[in-house]
Amino acid sequence: SQQGEEDPQALSIQEGENATMNCSYKTSINNLQWYRQNSGRGLVHLILIRSNEREKHSGRLRVTLDTSKKSSSLLITASRAADTASYFCATDASTGANSKLTFGKGITLSVRP
Amino acid sequence: NAGVTQTPKFQVLKTGQSMTLQCAQDMNHEYMSWYRQDPGMGLRLIHYSVGAGITDQGEVPNGYNVSRSTTEDFPLRLLSAAPSQTSVYFCASSWTGWNAPLHFGNGTRLTVT
Repeated sequence: SQQGEEDPQALSIQEGENATMNCSYKTSINNLQWYRQNSGRGLVHLILIRSNEREKHSGRLRVTLDTSKKSSSLLITASRAADTASYFCATDASTGANSKLTFGKGITLSVRP
Repeated sequence: NAGVTQTPKFQVLKTGQSMTLQCAQDMNHEYMSWYRQDPGMGLRLIHYSVGAGITDQGEVPNGYNVSRSTTEDFPLRLLSAAPSQTSVYFCASSWTGWNAPLHFGNGTRLTVT
C-alpha cells in the first residue's frame, strides 16, 4: 500500500485564495518532500522537510510536519492560475537495505482566474 | 546545464519488442532512479542506482533491466514489452539519494500494443 496518501484528491479554488493540501503516512520517516507536476511534464521539487523539523517556508509555500499524527500539509497562499498542477508528497522511510522514496497518488489543484 | 534528459519523448511498441529508454544527467549526481506513472497509481520505483556500477531493484522491477556504467547515464531496458508496461516513465537524479531533492526528466510516454 502507498506510504503517503494525499487529501483531497482534487481541489478547485479561485485565484487569490489559499490552497491547503494534506498528506498522511503510515511508518516513521526520515524526511517528507512535496513536488509539483504540470500537465505533460516531469515533477519539480518544492520543499523537503526533515523528521526533526516542524515547519518550512519557501515563498508562498508553507509546509508543516506532525510526526505524532504522521501527517504533513502544504499551504499555497494567494494562489495564482499558474499554480494549477498536480501536487505529490513523497516520503523517505529508508532503513538499512530498504531504500526508496515513496510517492502518493497526487492532488489535482485547479485555480480559476 | 540541461539537468535530466530523457529520450525518446514518445514511443509505440508491439508486444514482445524490446527497447531502451535513455536517461542522462549533467549535474554529477550519484543517485539515479526510474519511476513509472500510471493513472490513479502515483509514481512507482522501478530501479535505482547509488553510483556507477551499482544498481538495485525498486517496487516494480519485473520486465526491466538497468545498468550504470557512467555517472551520467542510466538507461532502462524493456526486454519483451507487454501491454501492462504502457505508462509514462520518469528518470530522476539527486546528489545523495532520498534525503535530497530529486530532479526529474520530462518523461517518456510508452504505449505497447
